[in-house]
Amino acid sequence: NAGVTQTPKFRVLKTGQSMTLLCAQDMNHEYMYWYRQDPGMGLRLIHYSVGEGTTAKGEVPDGYNVSRLKKQNFLLGLESAAPSQTSVYFCASSASGGNTGELFFGEGSRLTVL
Amino acid sequence: GENVGLHLPTLSVQEGDNSIINCAYSNSASDYFIWYKQESGKGPQFIIDIRSNMDKRQGQRVTVLLNKTVKHLSLQIAATQPGDSAVYFCAETRGGSARQLTFGSGTQLTVLP
Repeated sequence: NAGVTQTPKFRVLKTGQSMTLLCAQDMNHEYMYWYRQDPGMGLRLIHYSVGEGTTAKGEVPDGYNVSRLKKQNFLLGLESAAPSQTSVYFCASSASGGNTGELFFGEGSRLTVL
Repeated sequence: GENVGLHLPTLSVQEGDNSIINCAYSNSASDYFIWYKQESGKGPQFIIDIRSNMDKRQGQRVTVLLNKTVKHLSLQIAATQPGDSAVYFCAETRGGSARQLTFGSGTQLTVLP
């Protein structure tokens, strides 16, 4: 099994451009998450989903949108990229959302906004 | 404010020695704690967890200790190996929900030959 797969792994954008990060998991997990990781800081939750067709805001949702049209996929969109969104983005999934900290992470997508 | 932090940003140990990585939390309502390992260029990987009704939990070569009195968490790695070199994050939840995980800023562990 591949686990959690993120595409693309690297991307460079100009300010104002849009893009979508794709996350796919093959573990039949209900919960999926998007985090960003900045130097010297821990992971911060952007958006999450508790099941197909549902999404919810995390700690830092501004400037991002998400969709969960299929259970195995969770998309993160930037409609108008800003330099402050330069970061490494991690997708994760978990079998349930309660009483477990065992998230399965992808390998990350490094985004640079010029 | 509520935060999860680490006492030391970097830690170097000799191969074969034991490692201790520390973490402080400030929210007394936190009831579930997790340690993650992140190797360079990879996503975080779950190591071990502990609930607030426990003060110690052991895994394979790792032990997590929880001191609720001083709001302190530690990860002990026995017989540290080169493959243990990574950034280690502690994380907490309030209310037991994975979607409310708050991560610390991490400690870089370097294993010296």
